[in-house]
This record gives sequence, structure tokens and C-alpha cells, in this order.
Amino acid sequence: GDSVTQMEGPVTLSEEACLTINCTYTATGYPSLFWYVQYPGEGLQLLLKATKADDKGSNKGFEATYRKETTSFHLEKGSVQVSDSAVYFCALTSNQAGTALIFGKGTTLSVSS
Amino acid sequence: GAVVSQHPSRVICKSGTSVKIECRSLDFQATTMFWYRQFPKQSLMLMATSNEGSKATYEQGVEKDKFLINHASLTLSTLTVTSAHPEDSSFYICSARPLSGGLYNEQFFGPGTRLTVL
Repeated sequence: GDSVTQMEGPVTLSEEACLTINCTYTATGYPSLFWYVQYPGEGLQLLLKATKADDKGSNKGFEATYRKETTSFHLEKGSVQVSDSAVYFCALTSNQAGTALIFGKGTTLSVSS
Repeated sequence: GAVVSQHPSRVICKSGTSVKIECRSLDFQATTMFWYRQFPKQSLMLMATSNEGSKATYEQGVEKDKFLINHASLTLSTLTVTSAHPEDSSFYICSARPLSGGLYNEQFFGPGTRLTVL
């Protein structure tokens, strides 16, 4: 079945460092890909998404490109801030109505000043 | 737009009691809603898929009689944890997928409900 694999954390960075969180997927067909973020004590928020190959999702300085050839959707940010500290989840869903998101295990990011 | 609410946000109950959690899509219709469970520092585990007007589809290992799901309308789904025990303590999150439109392949998440069973 479909699955998502993302790098295990925790990831600890200093402010203004570069961030990459790797995510690869296995899916039949052409899924949509997402990154969600969960701040401490809160629910999930959609960070960015891409619905087809070569699409680039971006938001709040974060970017991820849908790479069909490598089945990847790595999350990147050029300069992290303390406020970026959170858990990041890579996820996919098929484009069929009624199908759930499949999540990776999540990567905890801690940014220190 | 595309807001999902959950109520309550936090509940503490005694062992053996039942707890109902509501999930509402506030500004869109959702034929399908999903219920997830999240353990501390872990990913979301899909519990069941809830379809309006029909029985929910439960994931393997999830007890149907323990976690009762009702999807009464296109904007409301409820999860009832029956005869709750301490091991049911967790963070329960619902999500809804729009019926149609440009956002149909997205899911919108509620803020979650923290259940603590004493």
C-alpha cells in the first residue's frame, strides 16, 4: 500500500541555519503531497502542498518540490527561526474522493537562538 | 474558509464513563470525515473513515464497539469513546475532506481533543 517515509529526528539547529527534512513516498498513481506542521500543544496545520509532478509548494519561507523520478518531497528552508520549532509531517493522499491522508512519522525540529 | 472545529478541546473523565467528541466542518460540506489518534511524540494513526449516512470504516486493530462513530450530516461527525479506560487517554484529531471544488484533495484538521481517563 501507499506509504511515506521521512527522516527521523530530532533535528536541532541554530537560528538562521538551513533546513532540509527528507521525505520519500510509495504510491500507486499520482498522489498529492503535503507538509503539515504541528506546534506544541496545537493541532495540525497545512504548511504547503503539491498536486502534480514538478510542482513546488511554498509557504512561510518553506519549500518542497514534487519529484516523481525520485518519489520525493523534501522540505527546505534557507534560514530557520526559533518560531519554526515544531513537528513536521509529510503526507500523501490519492486524488480519489474519500481517501485519507497517509502520514510519515513526523520530524521534530528544535531551533535555538 | 475550510475551518473544522472540535469539541471539547480537553476532557478528563473517570474510568468506565463514555466521552463524546464532536467534529464540525464550519464552512463547507464534507461527505467524508476522518478520525485520527496521536500518541505523545508519535505520528497520527488513522482510526476510521466516516461517511455521511453510512457506517464508518475502521482500520485494522481499532475496536468498533469501543470507538463509536456517527456521521449524521455533511457537517458533523461524532466519536464516542465508550467505557473509557486509562489506555484510551490520547489526543484525538478529526479531519474533513471537502465534497468538491478546488480543495477536494485536501483535508482540513480540527484542533484536536485531549482525552485523559483517570
